[in-house]
Amino acid sequence: SQQGEEDPQALSIQEGENATMNCSYKTSINNLQWYRQNSGRGLVHLILIRSNEREKHSGRLRVTLDTSKKSSSLLITASRAADTASYFCATAPHNTDKLIFGTGTRLQVFP
Amino acid sequence: KAGVTQTPRYLIKTRGQQVTLSCSPISGHRSVSWYQQTPGQGLQFLFEYFSETQRNKGNFPGRFSGRQFSNSRSEMNVSTLELGDSALYLCASSTQWGAATDTQYFGPGTRLTVL
Repeated sequence: SQQGEEDPQALSIQEGENATMNCSYKTSINNLQWYRQNSGRGLVHLILIRSNEREKHSGRLRVTLDTSKKSSSLLITASRAADTASYFCATAPHNTDKLIFGTGTRLQVFP
Repeated sequence: KAGVTQTPRYLIKTRGQQVTLSCSPISGHRSVSWYQQTPGQGLQFLFEYFSETQRNKGNFPGRFSGRQFSNSRSEMNVSTLELGDSALYLCASSTQWGAATDTQYFGPGTRLTVL
């Protein structure tokens, strides 16, 4: 079974708008990572946030982590058409070295 | 540095055949992990190799196997192919073992179709 579930499953916005994706997970984690996948290709690592961190920024990306609620959010500000992709959260549970991916959010950004 | 490369990119096989997929990690990376991606099951961890040793394994049948060579290149083998093995197979490399603790750098994937 998958550890993480993303919400929403799909999101459509206009260029310039912000996009927010949420990830919920089930067990305690060491860290949580976000990846982007363009149309059935390989994944690109976006950001890693450790369990003792609450917020992290990278360019137009902002990630928050709430371990008490077992949830994380990814905010993409001022979105561009090139941001169109699927976004996955991946968790590193305490009791395993495996990276477990969520179900993904498909983001469509219209020009 | 060159990225992770996977060969072949596309493969068509028939049920009952076997297949070998190859992955070359980023230079200097000693950990290679394999994932299967399907529309129904999403991204699932297959196994991880570090320094030629399998360090972690997902919940896949024994038909799925792998190995890693001394130059860190890895191969994945699937025997007695089933229709359900049709998927995108992704490999990822990192500097440390324990795929969960380090940034994973993914290859473009091998699209396997089983007829």
